[in-house]
Amino acid sequence: ETGVTQTPRHLVMGMTNKKSLKCEQHLGHNAMYWYKQSAKKPLELMFVYNFKEQTENNSVPSRFSPECPNSSHLFLHLHTLQPEDSALYLCASSQDISIGVGYNEQFFGPGTRLTVL
Amino acid sequence: AQKVTQAQTEISVVEKEDVTLDCVYETRDTTYYLFWYKQPPSGELVFLIRRNSFDEQNEISGRYSWNFQKSTSSFNFTITASQVVDSAVYFCALSEAGTGGGADGLTFGKGTHLIIQP
Repeated sequence: ETGVTQTPRHLVMGMTNKKSLKCEQHLGHNAMYWYKQSAKKPLELMFVYNFKEQTENNSVPSRFSPECPNSSHLFLHLHTLQPEDSALYLCASSQDISIGVGYNEQFFGPGTRLTVL
Repeated sequence: AQKVTQAQTEISVVEKEDVTLDCVYETRDTTYYLFWYKQPPSGELVFLIRRNSFDEQNEISGRYSWNFQKSTSSFNFTITASQVVDSAVYFCALSEAGTGGGADGLTFGKGTHLIIQP
């Protein structure tokens, strides 16, 4: 596997279900991100993790719960979602500026298309 | 607060025409970074270019060129001799330097849907 991978690619869930989205980066980066892309809004940043620590939560409802066990893996746990949460969820990774290798070019995965019924 | 505006929602041109995608940004930081990404129908965002605020030199990469002008807070993207494969949604994005490093999320514009007709 190369780049950033996301599973599943498509997910349909009911409002009472609990599911998780998985992201894995094979680029040796130390920062990972979750973005939401819906039809009605531009790409929205949800969470930022740097060296496994959450550094940003962009006022995301608690029904979205991120987890970053290490710098290569990022999860988004979903529970009691609403139909308006249906969207494309994109994961990205980048190298930290303090490492001195480039700045913040974020490389994206293919996304998970989520439909909440 | 930072903001990115892509006023062109959709552009349709015939193959081989040149096309320019506009991007205007707002930021209070003196150090910031601008990006362009391409999103083909498959959905994956593809990184195209990064430009630092302290480097106003324009850049050309094959049929792609970027015009960065701090005086007008614009970072426009031109495709020369467009091809059908250029059809995609193109996003302009901004990242402020933050408080001394670290990872920062990107602020994206709404995107411009570019349609290249054969």
